[in-house]
Amino acid sequence: QQQVKQSPQSLIVQKGGIPIINCAYENTAFDYFPWYQQFPGKGPALLIAIRPDVSEKKEGRFTISFNKSAKQFSLHIMDSQPGDSATYFCAAMYSSASKIIFGSGTRLSIRP
Amino acid sequence: NAGVTQTPKFQVLKTGQSMTLQCAQDMNHEYMSWYRQDPGMGLRLIHYSVGAGITDQGEVPNGYNVSRSTTEDFPLRLLSAAPSQTSVYFCASSYSYLWDSPYEQYFGPGTRLTVT
Repeated sequence: QQQVKQSPQSLIVQKGGIPIINCAYENTAFDYFPWYQQFPGKGPALLIAIRPDVSEKKEGRFTISFNKSAKQFSLHIMDSQPGDSATYFCAAMYSSASKIIFGSGTRLSIRP
Repeated sequence: NAGVTQTPKFQVLKTGQSMTLQCAQDMNHEYMSWYRQDPGMGLRLIHYSVGAGITDQGEVPNGYNVSRSTTEDFPLRLLSAAPSQTSVYFCASSYSYLWDSPYEQYFGPGTRLTVT
């Protein structure tokens, strides 16, 4: 049962564009939503995270937008660079459990 | 700190063979977990541990065993390898299974396993 649905599966954007990756969740008990970035041959690493009591969080060029009523959240990358080319995973978890549920991943390519 | 280390980096097994994937962390983390990563499937949790001597099943535990005798080590055992277990395996650890902000799981570099 996929509890976190991520789209698109792959995305190609020109340098300077704003790629947007979307995720939707089902379980309203989730209360922490991280995004992980993974480069080829490496393990995923935490990029940015948000709690559902805020609608937006920015860290540098990365922004999470959160819509609690729609049970959706998205990652925006401002002024994207070729170095941002990676696979991005959204995730969800809740404090009463000790697991993170990951989305299926988005392979992002930023063309020079 | 070395962080989370995994060995081996690559492994080829024949169907029916058994092996152990090693994972170690030097950050004194309580929580450790194993994931497998398959194309289009994201990261799926195999087993996890919230402390030495305590383990539990994740989403896809069949065909795998774990134990946690020390805080540092969390090996994953394949009992009888099958082609369906061809995947990239990641070990991860974190400070606590009770999340705090910011909560981060630290991932190892992965083991690429092929079962023929």
